[in-house]
Amino acid sequence: EPEVTQTPSHQVTQMGQEVILRCVPISNHLYFYWYRQILGQKVEFLVSFYNNEISEKSEIFDDQFSVERPDGSNFTLKIRSTKLEDSAMYFCASSERYDYNEQFFGPGTRLTVL
Amino acid sequence: AQKITQTQPGMFVQEKEAVTLDCTYDTSDPSYGLFWYKQPSSGEMIFLIYQGSYDQQNATEGRYSLNFQKARKSANLVISASQLGDSAMYFCAMREGGSQGNLIFGKGTKLSVKP
Repeated sequence: EPEVTQTPSHQVTQMGQEVILRCVPISNHLYFYWYRQILGQKVEFLVSFYNNEISEKSEIFDDQFSVERPDGSNFTLKIRSTKLEDSAMYFCASSERYDYNEQFFGPGTRLTVL
Repeated sequence: AQKITQTQPGMFVQEKEAVTLDCTYDTSDPSYGLFWYKQPSSGEMIFLIYQGSYDQQNATEGRYSLNFQKARKSANLVISASQLGDSAMYFCAMREGGSQGNLIFGKGTKLSVKP
């Protein structure tokens, strides 16, 4: 069964450093999403991406964040200058259509900012 | 105001019994979708069940069913015949029709199944 993959599974970085989280969505999917979950809290939407551009973003997704689909398979989330409060689990998700009845989530990347 | 409310931070159920996890939602959009995800201690998000706002029947997937009461804006998850492996966090989520698919999650309910 096709699945969303994410790398790395765990990333530790120093405050102020740039990090890139990588995702490979399911191959025939067109809509891509990043969510984050701070430890013990609910999952929060960050950004959605379609047709090589951002279609929606939340208040959390400020200028420190960017997304890119550099080739036909990868979907990346970049945090330019990490802060302590960026420590969270970051989930990538994809779906065939925006109104599809399932969003497939990847296993997540746990980001720890020291 | 919260769009998705899960009022039960934690629930206990005896193995083999049924359990209902509550979820209420708030939207003025006539078209929306409701989702339940399971998050075990390993952290991944596992899709369980989906209910569309125009679906006439309550959704069912194996041991999972969704008790959809549109007028009350509730979408409770019912797990029948609980198993030890059902112990996890359960999140209710909504996709509003006007969005590009982003999901709004509740705070979750931690379910513990007792042997």
